[in-house]
Parts: sequence; structure tokens; C-alpha cells
Amino acid sequence: EAGVTQSPTHLIKTRGQQATLRCSPISGHTSVYWYQQALGLGLQFLLWYDEGEERNRGNFPPRFSGRQFPNYSSELNVNALELEDSALYLCASSRRLAGDSTDTQYFGPGTRLTVL
Amino acid sequence: QQQVKQSPQSLIVQKGGISIINCAYENTAFDYFPWYQQFPGKGPALLIAIRPDVSEKKEGRFTISFNKSAKQFSLHIMDSQPGDSATYFCAASIPGNEKLTFGTGTRLTIIP
Repeated sequence: EAGVTQSPTHLIKTRGQQATLRCSPISGHTSVYWYQQALGLGLQFLLWYDEGEERNRGNFPPRFSGRQFPNYSSELNVNALELEDSALYLCASSRRLAGDSTDTQYFGPGTRLTVL
Repeated sequence: QQQVKQSPQSLIVQKGGISIINCAYENTAFDYFPWYQQFPGKGPALLIAIRPDVSEKKEGRFTISFNKSAKQFSLHIMDSQPGDSATYFCAASIPGNEKLTFGTGTRLTIIP
């Protein structure tokens, strides 16, 4: 079974530009999560999508946005890039269980975003 | 109240020894506590997870101990091996919320 895949592996942008990161979940998983792993700040929750809807959002400004497509893949967009947006962006996916709960989150390898 | 505090920040253990990493939380609504292992350049991989209805869970050399009254949980790695050298993260989530709140990570180094 293929794991969570993310593209691109590396992305270099300049301040003020927009970045688009992509994620394909494990087959059968309907939930996709985005996390930011910045140096010294650990893993911070960004967004949760399930069945095409945004279910939860972390403490990030509105210039961080995303969407989930009918095939459950997802896109994270970061507008007006700032130097401090440089980080590893991780995508995770999980199944929905009975009782409106979700299963274990499985992570992809991440996209390393560098803002110059 | 959403924080998960993890210690130590770094840990050096001799091969064959026991590695112990501790986490503490405040929010009693947390009901799922996974541990993730991350190697450089890779995404975190689930190691083992526990829910509050049990006090201990063991999978191979990895054991989670959970103390609900103290709001603490810990990861024990028995017979630590050089291949266990990685960064370990504890995490917690609330049912229906599903976002993982992570600890700050522990860099574990196993020396021969």
C-alpha cells in the first residue's frame, strides 16, 4: 500500500510570492491534515480537511489556506510569503472511524519550503 | 491548556540500555496519545499509541506508560539500539477535534 505522498520535495520562493504544496493521502483515507515543522518550533497544526470540507484550523494567518479535492488529495497555499514561513510542511492522512472519530494519522515525507 | 510538555530535549543512552522520554499534559479532554519517531529528512512515523482506559501498552521493545491522575505518559525503549537514534515526539488529541498537539521532541542518540 502506497503511503502519503507530497510534492514537490523542495520549493524555493522569494518573499511576497505564493507557494502551492500538494498531498495525496493513503488510498481509503478521507481526512488530510497539514502541519508546519519550523526549526525550533516543533510540529504545529495548520489545517484539517475531511470529505472536502475544512474541519479545523490552527493559529495561522488567513494567507495559509488550502482545499481538498473529490479524490481526497489536498493542496496547501501560502500567499504573500514571509521569511519565517521557511519550514518543512508535513501532510498526514487518516480514515474516519465509526462514531465520528478518526484513526491514526500517517505522515508523508514533507515539502521543504525555503523563502529567500 | 492545549500544550504537551516533553522532556528531556536530548538524551544519550548506551546500546542495550533503557531510553525513557516523558510527556505531561493539562487538558483532560485529550483521549489519544501517540508517539512518533522521526529520522532526518523524513516525516514522523507512528511508533505506538495509547488511550486513557489502559495504563500500559507494549509493542516489542517499545512501551507506553500512562498515568491518568498525574496527566503524564512516557515512552520506554528497552534494549536500545543505534538504529533507534532519532527524534521522538509525543502527541495528544481531543475526540472530534483530531488535530495532534505535539510535544517539542526529544533527540535520542544511542552510543555503542
